[in-house]
Amino acid sequence: SYVLTQPPSVSVAPGQTARITCGGNNIGSESVHWYQQKPGQAPVLVVYDDCDRPSGIPERFSGSNSGNTATLTISRVEAGDAADYYCQVWDSSSDHPVFGTGTKVTVL
Amino acid sequence: EMQLVESGGGLVQPGRSLRLSCAASGFIFDNYAMHWVRQAPGKGLEWVSGISWNSGSIDYADSVKGRFTISRDNAKNSLYLQMNSLSAEDTALYYCAKKGTGWYDYWGQGTLVTVSS
Repeated sequence: SYVLTQPPSVSVAPGQTARITCGGNNIGSESVHWYQQKPGQAPVLVVYDDCDRPSGIPERFSGSNSGNTATLTISRVEAGDAADYYCQVWDSSSDHPVFGTGTKVTVL
Repeated sequence: EMQLVESGGGLVQPGRSLRLSCAASGFIFDNYAMHWVRQAPGKGLEWVSGISWNSGSIDYADSVKGRFTISRDNAKNSLYLQMNSLSAEDTALYYCAKKGTGWYDYWGQGTLVTVSS
């Protein structure tokens, strides 16, 4: 089955830029979606279809996808951005969704 | 306001059964596929099962196939997950989620299932 690999953790200072990667075989040919999950809360969709944002999600959240890596970029990081982030694709071979391993973002 | 409220979780012995429910409101329930996603304590997200808007298409993760049954009642705006032959590996927070084109655009707060003797 399709495997999505994320770094376990990313640390960033307030006001700086956080980049969270999601690696998968030829992931650039897939649509990638990203979720934010704060402690004790349900996941929230922050980017869909590689780079689109749902209403209410700040422009500071952006996405890109090419080759074997998709990236979620959080600009001008705030303390409230501290959370776990998961990427997700729809695996066409199994017709099942697949989630990445998750990345814990720590704001220093 | 869109809401998904899960219920039915609890402590259950290995080998026993449990039925989860998800009550939906704030959107036209029978227009959307609905899924269950679980998260073991301290772990990542794992897709469990999905059902199309009219129950015509149903699918399961290999880890639960043959043990879990997903269903929905559009008249009651409700989603269900019947879980049989539970094991410790099924211990998790179970979320119901509204499916968009290829993503989940809204999640409930989850219901905790603990399988232990």
